[in-house]
Amino acid sequence: GNSVTQMEGPVTLSEEAFLTINCTYTATGYPSLFWYVQYPGEGLQLLLKATKADDKGSNKGFEATYRKETTSFHLEKGSVQVSDSAVYFCALCSNDYKLSFGAGTTVTVRA
Amino acid sequence: KAGVTQTPRYLIKTRGQQVTLSCSPISGHRSVSWYQQTPGQGLQFLFEYFSETQRNKGNFPGRFSGRQFSNSRSEMNVSTLELGDSALYLCASSPGRISLNTEAFFGQGTRLTVV
Repeated sequence: GNSVTQMEGPVTLSEEAFLTINCTYTATGYPSLFWYVQYPGEGLQLLLKATKADDKGSNKGFEATYRKETTSFHLEKGSVQVSDSAVYFCALCSNDYKLSFGAGTTVTVRA
Repeated sequence: KAGVTQTPRYLIKTRGQQVTLSCSPISGHRSVSWYQQTPGQGLQFLFEYFSETQRNKGNFPGRFSGRQFSNSRSEMNVSTLELGDSALYLCASSPGRISLNTEAFFGQGTRLTVV
């Protein structure tokens, strides 16, 4: 079946530090890959996505590249802000019409 | 354009009771999926409705059920509540069935507490 493994954290960083959250997946076929973000007390918001190998998704300074050879989709941001404090979820969708999520990584950015 | 609306935002119920949660998808979206989020199990898929029909179901007991109306609004019902049903229930809306190129939009969720 499909599964997603991501670095669980929690991760604590200082403002302007570099953030990376590792995500690897197992899937049948060629899935689409997503990063969702959840702010305290909120639902999930799509942060970025990639639909095929070597695609790079980017949004709000975050980037992730779909690496088929390593089955990975690591999230990176070069300079985090306090407002980036949230829980980040890696997810995939294959040919089963649903999203499979990783466990989530809690990120706290200190001023 | 209004987003996905889930009501109520918070619920407290007693063990053994039943509960109904509601989800109004984005206008024009025909697919609604439900997910359960707990600290221990993370985000787990409950079921998917498209064109008023359940198309996909996760690994949950029969106490969890749902339906979709002709206007695409969806409800999920949990009967004979257990303490372990305490969770954030999230609804996702998409134009068609969630697939490789179809994005899902989530509501803010309903926080259910069973006491």
